[in-house]
This record gives sequence, structure tokens and C-alpha cells, in this order.
Amino acid sequence: AQTVTQSQPEMSVQEAETVTLSCTYDTSESDYYLFWYKQPPSRQMILVIRQEAYKQQNATENRFSVNFQKAAKSFSLKISDSQLGDAAMYFCAYRSARGYALNFGKGTSLLVTP
Amino acid sequence: NAGVMQNPRHLVRRRGQEARLRCSPMKGHSHVYWYRQLPEEGLKFMVYLQKENIIDESGMPKERFSAEFPKEGPSILRIQQVVRGDSAAYFCASSHRTGGTDTQYFGPGTRLTVL
Repeated sequence: AQTVTQSQPEMSVQEAETVTLSCTYDTSESDYYLFWYKQPPSRQMILVIRQEAYKQQNATENRFSVNFQKAAKSFSLKISDSQLGDAAMYFCAYRSARGYALNFGKGTSLLVTP
Repeated sequence: NAGVMQNPRHLVRRRGQEARLRCSPMKGHSHVYWYRQLPEEGLKFMVYLQKENIIDESGMPKERFSAEFPKEGPSILRIQQVVRGDSAAYFCASSHRTGGTDTQYFGPGTRLTVL
């Protein structure tokens, strides 16, 4: 089974600054998808960004971008110009291209300070 | 477009009672997935359903738990004779297709508390 590891239980960033959240995963497959989900205090799971493993180009969505290193099995999330509304739990998730179940890491709690 | 809807948002049950959690997928989505989130943990896959079919229930406990997605109406996750260890947040997700580039969209979850 694939495992997803988020080694930072908590992170803190000042408003307008940049922060990077780490994620590593373990798989023997070559074709898969990676996701970052955000879970604010409301507990709603919100998709932030998605990366296809066959794409070399890193995904970007406005202030959110990823650094996907396939050989290192690393998938970090960079948040630029952090805003108070970015404060949430962030979960990294893996899904095999042949499957459907998302495998989640334990999450990183992001605190944004004024 | 309405998103994935779940109800109730909060459910309190006493040990031994039954819990019924409902999920209405996004319009046009026919694939439904249930996940469970224990405190301080990420979400864990439980079951994957299409209309009238259970495709994969490998993540669901063999006893007391069941799921359905009827031809009409919402998907139901049913927990019989609840125990304190069932206390968790239960999330439903839906997708238009499965596999490939398709994305699962999540509902707001149902927080189950067993007294």
C-alpha cells in the first residue's frame, strides 16, 4: 500500500510571506496523481491543487504551487503571499492511476499570523 | 451548482444505537466514496459505490457497517450498534468518473459522537 508522510505537524507563517509544506510518498507505481486538500475550521475538505505524475511541469493555482520531484517522491506545496484565510489543516493525498481511493497523510496545521 | 451535501452535520448517538449518514453527490456525479477521519488523523478510505452497486468496501469494517447508493436518493452509510470508537468525522466525496484525471469533491462531513 502506498504511504503518504507529512513530517511537519505544524507550521507558522506571517501574513504576506511564503511558506512551504512538505510531503513525501512511497510507491512502486509510475503513473499516479497527487493532491493537496485544505481543511479549514469548518472541516470542509477543499481541493487546492492537483498534479499528474506524467507531467514534468509543476502545477500552479494562483498563489499555490507545487514542487514535484518524482525521483525523490516528494510533493511540496508553496503558498505565496499568505493570507489569514489560508490558516487550515493541509492534507497531501496520493491516488494510483489505476485506482480510486485517496491515501492521505496526517496533515500539517498552518497558522497565519498578522 | 450545489456541491456534495451531507446530513446531518452533527449526530449524537448512545452506545448500541444506529447511525445513518446521508450523502447527496454533486449533480451529474454517479461515483460516491466514503472516508472516515479519526482525531488527529488523515482521512481513511472506507467504501466506493456506484448507483446500486458496491464496487469496493475493503476499507469498511466487516461488522456493523454497511453502505448503499440506491437508484433514487442519497447514498447511506449505516452503522449499527455504535461504539465509542466509531466517534469520528465521516466524509463523502463524489466524482463524475473514476480513475484517470477525475477529481473527488468532498462534502462538509458528518461528525458522529457516541456517548
